[in-house]
Amino acid sequence: NAGVTQTPKFRILKIGQSMTLQCTQDMNHNYMYWYRQDPGMGLKLIYYSVGAGITDKGEVPNGYNVSRSTTEDFPLRLELAAPSQTSVYFCASTTGRATSQETQYFGPGTRLLVL
Amino acid sequence: AQTVTQSQPEMSVQEAETVTLSCTYDTSESDYYLFWYKQPPSRQMILVIRQEAYKQQNATENRFSVNFQKAAKSFSLKISDSQLGDAAMYFCAYIRDMRFGAGTRLTVKP
Repeated sequence: NAGVTQTPKFRILKIGQSMTLQCTQDMNHNYMYWYRQDPGMGLKLIYYSVGAGITDKGEVPNGYNVSRSTTEDFPLRLELAAPSQTSVYFCASTTGRATSQETQYFGPGTRLLVL
Repeated sequence: AQTVTQSQPEMSVQEAETVTLSCTYDTSESDYYLFWYKQPPSRQMILVIRQEAYKQQNATENRFSVNFQKAAKSFSLKISDSQLGDAAMYFCAYIRDMRFGAGTRLTVKP
């Protein structure tokens, strides 16, 4: 199993541009999450999904959109990139309930720079 | 909203010594989980140890152990016999609404 994969690893965007951060997991996990990690800070939950077709907002959803058409994929969309969205983005997945002891499997992260 | 606080931005320990990283959290819930994650320079998040709130016994994983004080809402991580490979950022996480502390950068001196 590859686990959780994210593409791209690094991207530079101009203000106002759009892009999609890709996340794929091959562990048949129902739950998937998107986090952002600002420099020197912990992770903040952007969006999460409890299964295909179901998504919900996390702590910092503004400026982002997600979709979950399959169990494997959970892309994160930035429509109008702003400098405040410069961050490292992590995707994660779990088998069970979001509030359970299930271990989150994290992807390697995508570093985004908005200039 | 629940908050997670790590009051030590940086900690340093001598190789083979013991170090304790602090974490406090705020919640009105009685059933939850607490995790410690390690993030090396590769940025990959690695689960170190987890604690169920309903368990009074402190979790232990090899050289890693926690001191869980539910009433005080404290969840510290103790690393014994520190190794160079332990150097990383450590994050405390409250697993009910996925809240993470700001992290503690641990340096291990040879």
